[in-house]
Amino acid sequence: DTEVTQTPKHLVMGMTNKKSLKCEQHMGHRAMYWYKQKAKKPPELMFVYSYEKLSINESVPSRFSPECPNSSLLNLHLHALQPEDSALYLCASSQDPGQGSPLHFGNGTRLTVT
Amino acid sequence: RKEVEQDPGPFNVPEGATVAFNCTYSNSASQSFFWYRQDCRKEPKLLMSVYSSGNEDGRFTAQLNRASQYISLLIRDSKLSDSATYLCVVKDYGGSQGNLIFGKGTKLSVKP
Repeated sequence: DTEVTQTPKHLVMGMTNKKSLKCEQHMGHRAMYWYKQKAKKPPELMFVYSYEKLSINESVPSRFSPECPNSSLLNLHLHALQPEDSALYLCASSQDPGQGSPLHFGNGTRLTVT
Repeated sequence: RKEVEQDPGPFNVPEGATVAFNCTYSNSASQSFFWYRQDCRKEPKLLMSVYSSGNEDGRFTAQLNRASQYISLLIRDSKLSDSATYLCVVKDYGGSQGNLIFGKGTKLSVKP
């Protein structure tokens, strides 16, 4: 069982919808991440939050908007997505952003954009 | 460009076999190394961190060769449940945790 919890597990949305993905961890980790994974590809980094501040944005389109309300929560707000945005969205956390601690992934939200 | 290369497989092996995966990385300053496994349509799960001295966890042994810039994973006595994709992950020196570089994964299929 994962210690990083993501909701919802599945999401279908139209191109004009607004939805949010949620992620929660209670391991006291200070770094949280959003990754996008397409079928048969490795995860691609989208955003990194370090001590609740956005530290990395990998040139992600503005239709994806991250938010970190506190050290345990991470959201990804979605608006005006395209069908090619359909993918598995993975949240992860790590103990310390600057050291070699591994990432712990949530079980993901499988997003379909119609 | 910093890269992590893995043989995509698939590796098809019988139960009980020993199988080895290799992974090469391009940045000699890389600091931390991990193996993750990912089941179909599931999230990646940490299998092992890889240390310079090598490390073992049950049937799994990970080795790091800094001189040749490769990491290996050995699985002994393969089980059906070992079937998954194995991802090699490297963290680059000096960057934030965001500088994790993922290999494309090696698919393992263990047959009865």
